[in-house]
Amino acid sequence: NAGVMQNPRHLVRRRGQEARLRCSPMKGHSHVYWYRQLPEEGLKFMVYLQKENIIDESGMPKERFSAEFPKEGPSILRIQQVVRGDSAAYFCASSPTGDPLSNQPQHFGDGTRLSIL
Amino acid sequence: SQQGEEDPQALSIQEGENATMNCSYKTSINNLQWYRQNSGRGLVHLILIRSNEREKHSGRLRVTLDTSKKSSSLLITASRAADTASYFCATDANTGFQKLVFGTGTRLLVSP
Repeated sequence: NAGVMQNPRHLVRRRGQEARLRCSPMKGHSHVYWYRQLPEEGLKFMVYLQKENIIDESGMPKERFSAEFPKEGPSILRIQQVVRGDSAAYFCASSPTGDPLSNQPQHFGDGTRLSIL
Repeated sequence: SQQGEEDPQALSIQEGENATMNCSYKTSINNLQWYRQNSGRGLVHLILIRSNEREKHSGRLRVTLDTSKKSSSLLITASRAADTASYFCATDANTGFQKLVFGTGTRLLVSP
């Protein structure tokens, strides 16, 4: 049973370009979460999606960032017109349910390390 | 603001010693989780403790939770060099869904 798959593992972009980060959740998981991690810091929540729906995007910047989780295919985190401050590791996690009372842990991918030149 | 704060920020011990890491949080929770992150990798789930539990064991790991003090501790017994990693606590922050709020992490170095 494959885990959460993220690609690419490393992505280099120049300022002003677009970055697309992909995440395929674990089989049977329909809940996806994106987090951002700056060097030497913990992960910060960005957005929570279920299939075809954004449930909570309170941690995602209002401009330049968008996320989707289509009916078919992986979840995509898209960053337009990247700036140096977008350099970070972006992690995706999935779970079979979004209910915290289920006490199901989230399973994380190995992340995409985005570097902006 | 960061929900959790780990203490210490960094810990250096010898193989065979025990390592204790602490985590404090600010809001009510449904559960608290501990994750490990090896350098350049994603997070690996270690253990989940529910808000109505006080202590939980998994192999060489022991987690305690004190909801009155809003704190938790992770004890790794008989540490090994392979335990070298960063350790994070995370809570659901009682948001109604599984939005995890992470602490700043403890970097553990276990020397052979």
